[in-house]
Amino acid sequence: GAVVSQHPSRVICKSGTSVKIECRSLDFQATTMFWYRQFPKQSLMLMATSNEGSKATYEQGVEKDKFLINHASLTLSTLTVTSAHPEDSSFYICSASQTSGVGDTQYFGPGTRLTVL
Amino acid sequence: GQQLNQSPQSMFIQEGEDVSMNCTSSSIFNTWLWYKQDPGEGPVLLIALYKAGELTSNGRLTAQFGITRKDSFLNISASIPSDVGIYFCAGPANFGNEKLTFGTGTRLTIIP
Repeated sequence: GAVVSQHPSRVICKSGTSVKIECRSLDFQATTMFWYRQFPKQSLMLMATSNEGSKATYEQGVEKDKFLINHASLTLSTLTVTSAHPEDSSFYICSASQTSGVGDTQYFGPGTRLTVL
Repeated sequence: GQQLNQSPQSMFIQEGEDVSMNCTSSSIFNTWLWYKQDPGEGPVLLIALYKAGELTSNGRLTAQFGITRKDSFLNISASIPSDVGIYFCAGPANFGNEKLTFGTGTRLTIIP
């Protein structure tokens, strides 16, 4: 149980285009979903936290107008990278938890590798 | 914000050897989590620790929550090829917060 999927697994796009990444909890309802970014040989950095039906909370330094997050249902959150540029190329990983309490386990998706040409 | 530093940064060992790595924090943590990330995949939770001094095992893996609450250790016994990957410690970003801060990672490579 507790499976999280992401789609697509890989995407290559031209500079200036927008890319949407989906994160789904397959067998549980996710009250909270998290979006992380990971550059090569680096750790995971939290970008934003989203709760179903409300606006996402972005970490300092993350542009909310560039990284649009929508958490429309308890099983789906989307991250849209708008007007992507080569420096946005990274590994984007989502996670989901069943509640928003402290210490609740986050289940991670397999990640989406974005390459912007 | 809080920082988690992992040591060593990378390890090259032979199959069958035991592995030890640690994670230290600049501030107190109330939960320590250890994850493993395979190349091109998301992290998978290995062990969760919730109490200072706690020692928890998961198969060949053993992790300990440091008494000072500022560190944690992960040991892998009798390493096998599938242990290759990056190991991350993680904990709540701030006390009472569900957001996680991840450590810098330890990359484990097994030499044939």
